[in-house]
Amino acid sequence: AQKVTQAQTEISVVEKEDVTLDCVYETRDTTYYLFWYKQPPSGELVFLIRRNSFDEQNEISGRYSWNFQKSTSSFNFTITASQVVDSAVYFCAGFGVSNYQLIWGAGTKLIIKP
Amino acid sequence: ETGVTQTPRHLVMGMTNKKSLKCEQHLGHNAMYWYKQSAKKPLELMFVYNFKEQTENNSVPSRFSPECPNSSHLFLHLHTLQPEDSALYLCASSQLDRVGQETQYFGPGTRLLVL
Repeated sequence: AQKVTQAQTEISVVEKEDVTLDCVYETRDTTYYLFWYKQPPSGELVFLIRRNSFDEQNEISGRYSWNFQKSTSSFNFTITASQVVDSAVYFCAGFGVSNYQLIWGAGTKLIIKP
Repeated sequence: ETGVTQTPRHLVMGMTNKKSLKCEQHLGHNAMYWYKQSAKKPLELMFVYNFKEQTENNSVPSRFSPECPNSSHLFLHLHTLQPEDSALYLCASSQLDRVGQETQYFGPGTRLLVL
């Protein structure tokens, strides 16, 4: 069975702090895809990134960066110099080629205090 | 225009009412999805349509009836709902490739309250 674990239910930091959200994807597939989505209070799920299991390069996009470790199937998300607008629920999801379905984590609620 | 639109954004209905949720995607995708998001619960996949054919139905009660007349439009018909059906209903679309992998793009959702 495939499973996505986001161990942090809620994180609260003060603005400008760096924060890392954890995600672990359990699968027997050697080929799989990992995603991060952001859900602000408005409700819409906003796609942030997609990563293939065979591409272990880390990725940076502005204040966002992602660290993929295939050995542990972890795909962590770091926000540098956090801002109040980063407050949202962040979801990690995984897609294994044997399952053919996107599996979602429970989400991490991120609160950025001014 | 935004990629995936949903109407209405908010809906309050009684248990005896019949209503429909509408989703439209402007991304040229070939697959569409309905998800349910309840408070304190994980995102639940309800239905998947691939090239207008329903390929997934995750044991959803028959009071929820999907309809996909074409690859751009998806409806969720609601009748005799229960209070526990109150949730955020999200529509998504994606372009399935040969592997079947996709990036799903979501609409803003419909917040449904059943009284």
